[in-house]
Amino acid sequence: QKEVEQNSGPLSVPEGAIASLNCTYSDRGSQSFFWYRQYSGKSPELIMFIYSNGDKEDGRFTAQLNKASQYVSLLIRDSQPSDSATYLCAVIGGSYIPTFGRGTSLIVHP
Amino acid sequence: GAGVSQSPSNKVTEKGKDVELRCDPISGHTALYWYRQSLGQGLEFLIYFQGNSAPDKSGLPSDRFSAERTGGSVSTLTIQRTQQEDSAVYLCASKSTDTQYFGPGTRLTVL
Repeated sequence: QKEVEQNSGPLSVPEGAIASLNCTYSDRGSQSFFWYRQYSGKSPELIMFIYSNGDKEDGRFTAQLNKASQYVSLLIRDSQPSDSATYLCAVIGGSYIPTFGRGTSLIVHP
Repeated sequence: GAGVSQSPSNKVTEKGKDVELRCDPISGHTALYWYRQSLGQGLEFLIYFQGNSAPDKSGLPSDRFSAERTGGSVSTLTIQRTQQEDSAVYLCASKSTDTQYFGPGTRLTVL
């Protein structure tokens, strides 16, 4: 069974700090990796996707993928209180069905 | 439309009743997914439609659940003889290339 694991948190960081969110996955054939942000009571929204090993940067967000170690991470620089949300990791393997982690709750305190 | 829409936004029903949930995907998106999210839980895949291909129903939890997609666009998820454990937020997403766009969800409460 394909599994995607995330620490449920909450991860608490001060405003302006770097938040580091991690995700591990079990399926070595996984090809596509996604990070979603979900505010309480809202639906998930895509932040970033990454396909290749290494780093991918988009504004304050950086996704890091290491297929050999089967982990993907999301770094949020200069964290803001508005970044407080649950962050979901999703992985797609050979099928088109993504497997989602349960999410990590991030709290950015002023 | 500009995004994925779902209706109703909230549905309260009595145990044993049937419910229908509707999803209008983004125009032109050929792929459509249904998920379920219970309080504090991750997204549970239910069913996947891609174009005119047979849907992937591998995530449906029981035969009380069914879904159809008419004309490759609007989709309806039907839950028959609802049970209290069916209470959850039901999310629909349509996909362009690899990117899924989620609708606002339908919150189902079974009393």
